[in-house]
Amino acid sequence: DAGVTQSPTHLIKTRGQQVTLRCSPKSGHDTVSWYQQALGQGPQFIFQYYEEEERQRGNFPDRFSGHQFPNYSSELNVNALLLGDSALYLCASSLGDARPFFGPGTRLTVL
Amino acid sequence: ELKVEQNPLFLSMQEGKNYTIYCNYSTTSDRLYWYRQDPGKSLESLFVLLSNGAVKQEGRLMASLDTKARLSTLHITAAVHDLSATYFCAVDSPDDYKLSFGAGTTVTVRA
Repeated sequence: DAGVTQSPTHLIKTRGQQVTLRCSPKSGHDTVSWYQQALGQGPQFIFQYYEEEERQRGNFPDRFSGHQFPNYSSELNVNALLLGDSALYLCASSLGDARPFFGPGTRLTVL
Repeated sequence: ELKVEQNPLFLSMQEGKNYTIYCNYSTTSDRLYWYRQDPGKSLESLFVLLSNGAVKQEGRLMASLDTKARLSTLHITAAVHDLSATYFCAVDSPDDYKLSFGAGTTVTVRA
């Protein structure tokens, strides 16, 4: 049984570019949440998707958007990248409100 | 908004001695999680604590929860080098869908 998977593992972009990160949830899970973890800090909630809708959003600008597909996989899109967007992006999946399981993360570096 | 405070933020441990990490949170919570994170890696789930008085143990780690005091502790017994990592507590609020994380406690175990 595969756990949560994320792609790519690492990514380097330049300021102003756009990026798409992907997440496949653990088998049987229907809810996907995204977190941003800057270096030396705890993860910060970006948003959660359930039934292909954004159910809750954290304190992030509109440059951060997402999508959930019918197979429950999800994408995180970030437009107009800033240096401060450099972070580890974590995807977590769950079955409804049950315990979340975290993926390996995508390390984004913005130059 | 739910606030989660961990202390200490940095902990230098001597091998063989016992230490405690504290996690305070500001509002009622359904669940409290402890995670371990190695440098550059994702979050590894250690414990999920669901009710007042809950105690869970795995190896040299023991976590407890006091919901009335809104306090969880992670106790490390006879520290060994392999326990060097950053430890996060995270709290699940009944009012929303996100996990709120503490800032993390970076543990270094020295001989």
